[in-house]
Amino acid sequence: KQEVTQIPAALSVPEGENLVLNCSFTDSAIYNLQWFRQDPGKGLTSLLLIQSSQREQTSGRLNASLDKSSGRSTLYIAASQPGDSATYLCAVVDSGNTPLVFGKGTRLSVIA
Amino acid sequence: DTEVTQTPKHLVMGMTNKKSLKCEQHMGHRAMYWYKQKAKKPPELMFVYSYEKLSINESVPSRFSPECPNSSLLNLHLHALQPEDSALYLCASSQHPRADPGGYTFGSGTRLTVV
Repeated sequence: KQEVTQIPAALSVPEGENLVLNCSFTDSAIYNLQWFRQDPGKGLTSLLLIQSSQREQTSGRLNASLDKSSGRSTLYIAASQPGDSATYLCAVVDSGNTPLVFGKGTRLSVIA
Repeated sequence: DTEVTQTPKHLVMGMTNKKSLKCEQHMGHRAMYWYKQKAKKPPELMFVYSYEKLSINESVPSRFSPECPNSSLLNLHLHALQPEDSALYLCASSQHPRADPGGYTFGSGTRLTVV
């Protein structure tokens, strides 16, 4: 059964710092991996989607990488801003066609 | 239209009430999902509809009854809920069931409180 782990569980950084959020998954036979952002009490906003054949995806200040063989993905946020404060969730669809499986998330706080 | 719309945004109901949550998408997606999310926890899958047919029920209690009247609409009927059912209920869709290269699109959720 696919398990997704995110480290750290919480992170507090000063504004302007570059930061890395980590995601690992136990079964490397994934179909794709998706990073989401969730503000308190709100729904999920998709940030980046990486197919199993891709190594990375970029959107603005966000860059997500995927190393399928080692079961790892990282989300890099450049020049962090207070508006980036949220919970970031990593989720995978594996090749066994199991619906999206989530990690527990990283709660990010960017201090002005 | 690239959105999943959920109504209502907030719902307070008594344990003897019957209510329904609604989810709508007009992206032509053929798979729709209900997730339940408790505070500070990740979303947990409840149901999957694939081409308007229920394909996965994650052992959800019968007081939750899903319905997919057409390819754009997904309902979750609630009856005789317990206070521990209070949570954020999220609807999602994808173009194809599960393994979709386009990923999942989530709605903004319904915050349910059972009193």
